[in-house]
Amino acid sequence: EMVMTQSPATLSVSPGESATLSCRASHGVSSNLAWYQQKPGQAPRLLIYGASTRATGVPARFSGSGSGTEFTLTISSLQSEDFAVYYCQQFNKWPPIFTFGPGTKVDIK
Amino acid sequence: EVQLEQSGAEVKKPGESLKISCKGSGYDFATSWIGWVRQMPGKGLEWMGLIYPGDSDTTYSPSFQGQVTISADKSINTAYLQWGSLKASDTAIYYCARRGAVVIEPDFVYYFDYWGQGTLVNVSS
Repeated sequence: EMVMTQSPATLSVSPGESATLSCRASHGVSSNLAWYQQKPGQAPRLLIYGASTRATGVPARFSGSGSGTEFTLTISSLQSEDFAVYYCQQFNKWPPIFTFGPGTKVDIK
Repeated sequence: EVQLEQSGAEVKKPGESLKISCKGSGYDFATSWIGWVRQMPGKGLEWMGLIYPGDSDTTYSPSFQGQVTISADKSINTAYLQWGSLKASDTAIYYCARRGAVVIEPDFVYYFDYWGQGTLVNVSS
């Protein structure tokens, strides 16, 4: 069974600073890793797919890296609209299963 | 513009049945997989299953197999999630989302690129 972990659970950051979020998979997932942002009362929004490709319309301050089992989402120069919960998600080819991480909450320091 | 429009909030009693919907527009609905994702109150995202509307091929998360039924009607661009007998623990927001796929050598990578607004299901006696 694939298990996704994210750290830290909560990250307190001042506006203008950068944030580094980590995601770890219990088994290698190659580049099959996506990141989502969710704000209170809203649906999740795709930020990154394929570990490092920004989705359409996502600002360049969001960047993803990693492969295999260790992945990172970096948000440079946090804006007020970036305070949210961030989830990573992997896809396992067989059996075909999507698994989300537990999330990292980025809040205002 | 790709849109997924979900049906409205539901309040049900334990033991009742329910079918919620997700209508797609702005793309070829039949040729993109649609997934369902649960979010219990104050909790994270859980993938429930996927359906390919073109032929109704379906795959479920082991955690939800036998607990829900996913279906689709491609003639009206709509996917469904249904329960035969609701429990209080089914109280959650349910999202539909379109599965995207691209080739990043050497494999396909998969993700959810467009999401519905969510349907709140409240099951209480």
